[in-house]
Amino acid sequence: SQQGEEDPQALSIQEGENATMNCSYKTSINNLQWYRQNSGRGLVHLILIRSNEREKHSGRLRVTLDTSKKSSSLLITASRAADTASYFCATENNQGGKLIFGQGTELSVKP
Amino acid sequence: ETGVTQTPRHLVMGMTNKKSLKCEQHLGHNAMYWYKQSAKKPLELMFVYSLEERVENNSVPSRFSPECPNSSHLFLHLHTLQPEDSALYLCASSQDRGLEAFFGQGTRLTVV
Repeated sequence: SQQGEEDPQALSIQEGENATMNCSYKTSINNLQWYRQNSGRGLVHLILIRSNEREKHSGRLRVTLDTSKKSSSLLITASRAADTASYFCATENNQGGKLIFGQGTELSVKP
Repeated sequence: ETGVTQTPRHLVMGMTNKKSLKCEQHLGHNAMYWYKQSAKKPLELMFVYSLEERVENNSVPSRFSPECPNSSHLFLHLHTLQPEDSALYLCASSQDRGLEAFFGQGTRLTVV
């Protein structure tokens, strides 16, 4: 069964704006990860946040995790056209280390 | 370049053919995965190998047969596939299960 669900499914913004994507999940997790995928290609790992962490930064990326609400958000600040891609959250539950992916958010950044 | 290489990048096969997908990683990772990505659907985890042993088989039909001969190589053997098996097949590896995964570029499979 699907673990992570991203919201919104699609997001279109102008260059320079911030983009926020949300992920909700159902079961207890050890960590939550965000990945990026350019059209028809492999996924690239962006950031991992552990269940005992609340916020993490990497360059223009900011990830938050609220385990009480079983949700996470990914913020991309000062977006660029090159950020156009699909973004997925993936959760690792505490039952065997499976990484389960959500359906993703398609981000379009217009120049 | 993620350090995970998949071949071929594209494959067209008939329903009676037998083919194999190959995945190679030289990152020293202990876990390897096969995922299937179909249009408008989440990535589906198919198989997980840890230290060359299969530890997960997510109810995948027997027409898909994985093989992990050593920690650097993973194969997916295909035979008598159906058109609905057409998808992007992604291989990934991680240091251990559940950690940051490194993905190959995928094999775009079309079954005719």
